[in-house]
Amino acid sequence: DTGVSQDPRHKITKRGQNVTFRCDPISEHNRLYWYRQTLGQGPEFLTYFQNEAQLEKSRLLSDRFSAERPKGSFSTLEIQRTEQGDSAMYLCASSLAMGVYGYTFGSGTRLTVV
Amino acid sequence: LAKTTQPISMDSYEGQEVNITCSHNNIATNDYITWYQQFPSQGPRFIIQGYKTKVTNEVASLFIPADRKSSTLSLPRVSLSDTAVYYCLVGDNYGGATNKLIFGTGTLLAVQP
Repeated sequence: DTGVSQDPRHKITKRGQNVTFRCDPISEHNRLYWYRQTLGQGPEFLTYFQNEAQLEKSRLLSDRFSAERPKGSFSTLEIQRTEQGDSAMYLCASSLAMGVYGYTFGSGTRLTVV
Repeated sequence: LAKTTQPISMDSYEGQEVNITCSHNNIATNDYITWYQQFPSQGPRFIIQGYKTKVTNEVASLFIPADRKSSTLSLPRVSLSDTAVYYCLVGDNYGGATNKLIFGTGTLLAVQP
């Protein structure tokens, strides 16, 4: 297992289109997180899963955003009707332990909405 | 999650030791202090974690005074490749009050030749 994989690495889309990102966590990690990061800011928490259950969603996650983790393995993050303000790096992380220790992040998907 | 305060940026030269201090006045008894490193276009990477006194690994050292209201990340003999953003976070390892990492803006360390 080589770590957390995210696909695609880059995505350019027109405003109003839908986009979907995929995250493959480290296989034995039962927790999976999505973050969003804009230039000059630290990553902002969006949502997290423990196995297949989505346990928390940030208020940043508007109705246009949806995340799934079927069967507790890979996860997808979908953004509907994209807006220019959605342009950001979307990061996925996974962990085995609870709390702040031992998160492994992927390299992210950079979304540009034109 | 206890709020942390750290400098926005620091400059250094190759071969110097760099110390980045983080203050966390409201740290809770169960909280650990964790540092992550982030290079451009990559996700953050775990560097080191500690609870009290001193922790050292192959990458860095972490110094935590007795009152635990601050901590210092020490990077020995930095190189150009240490140019990155460094984040200080506090939270417990048991998932009690902490279900996720909460990042601040971090410290941008710029290492020059």
